[in-house]
Amino acid sequence: GQNIDQPTEMTATEGAIVQINCTYQTSGFNGLFWYQQHAGEAPTFLSYNVLDGLEEKGRFSSFLSRSKGYSYLLLKELQMKDSASYLCAVMDSNYQLIWGAGTKLIIKP
Amino acid sequence: IAGITQAPTSQILAAGRRMTLRCTQDMRHNAMYWYRQDLGLGLRLIHYSNTAGTTGKGEVPDGYSVSRANTDDFPLTLASAVPSQTSVYFCASSARVTDTDTQYFGPGTRLTVL
Repeated sequence: GQNIDQPTEMTATEGAIVQINCTYQTSGFNGLFWYQQHAGEAPTFLSYNVLDGLEEKGRFSSFLSRSKGYSYLLLKELQMKDSASYLCAVMDSNYQLIWGAGTKLIIKP
Repeated sequence: IAGITQAPTSQILAAGRRMTLRCTQDMRHNAMYWYRQDLGLGLRLIHYSNTAGTTGKGEVPDGYSVSRANTDDFPLTLASAVPSQTSVYFCASSARVTDTDTQYFGPGTRLTVL
């Protein structure tokens, strides 16, 4: 079966760095996505990786290792507004997104 | 309007009633999707449409139907609602089925079936 695993909840301090991990087993691979979802709102796109390595976008970076079925989202200089759920999703061989349950990130002052 | 709109924002529905959730996009995207989101679970695909006039079943299609008469609209119908269909429903779109760029999401419909 297809499976995406990520931690349920993480806590970090304002100004710090946090790494959210995602491991996956899917039927085929056409890229891995990270989305941010604030409570009561829609998911919004953060990043996309299809090749191994690190993609950097401002305070956010995403890493992919296809051989290990592993990705992480790195958030630097955490701000209170980064408190949200972070969703990992893999596009399978049918170009459908398989979603993890999300990681709720709590930022403390 | 810009992006994707959904209606209603929320709804309380008696079991057994019929309900249509509306979704409209103005981005001229070919592909559209319906997901449900339940606590502790990832987004699950209900139905999708690669282009106007075609639809397909996702992971959890039972009890739901869709139509795609034109590019902009993709309504989701619950023929006879049951309490297990209580969920948050998101409509999404992308430029193409094989577009690995991004899916854009509507604001969601919170449905409670009693």
